[in-house]
Amino acid sequence: AQKVTQAQTEISVVEKEDVTLDCVYETRDTTYYLFWYKQPPSGELVFLIRRNSFDEQNEISGRYSWNFQKSTSSFNFTITASQVVDSAVYFCALSERGFGGSARQLTFGSGTQLTVLP
Amino acid sequence: NAGVTQTPKFRVLKTGQSMTLLCAQDMNHEYMYWYRQDPGMGLRLIHYSVGEGTTAKGEVPDGYNVSRLKKQNFLLGLESAAPSQTSVYFCASRAGGTGSYNEQFFGPGTRLTVL
Repeated sequence: AQKVTQAQTEISVVEKEDVTLDCVYETRDTTYYLFWYKQPPSGELVFLIRRNSFDEQNEISGRYSWNFQKSTSSFNFTITASQVVDSAVYFCALSERGFGGSARQLTFGSGTQLTVLP
Repeated sequence: NAGVTQTPKFRVLKTGQSMTLLCAQDMNHEYMYWYRQDPGMGLRLIHYSVGEGTTAKGEVPDGYNVSRLKKQNFLLGLESAAPSQTSVYFCASRAGGTGSYNEQFFGPGTRLTVL
């Protein structure tokens, strides 16, 4: 069974601070995919990144960066120089590779509410 | 392309009433999913479909039924609504194939309240 744990329920930072959102996952699959989604107050889910299990390179996209470590089963997300517009709920998710009619469903963590104060 | 759309956006039901949520996608995707989102629990899979005419149960299927009569539509039905079904419902779709993972595209959500 798959499981995603986001231990940080709520985080509050002041604008321009750096913040890291933690994600720890469990899976028996050797090939899997990890994701981060953003859910702003408007409610829609915004895809941020997908990472394959066989690619442990860290990724940077503007102020966002992701640290994937298979040894600790973690896929952490860092926002550098946070802004008020970053305030949202952030979800980490996991999907098995699957074959044929497999659902390849996303297993979500419970989310981290990030509040960036001006 | 409209992507994934959901109808309605909001709905209030009384206990015991029935309703159907409609999800439509215009990307010719094979796979479609229904999730529910509850406070502090992330999204959980209710039912999914791997193609037209096929459906399967997800993690929390009780109290819901689904149908996929047309490839572009995935309907979620509540036969006798209960307050425990108060939630935000998200539909998603993705392309098929056994190659690299294809991203799931989400609809805007339907907020359902059962009194």
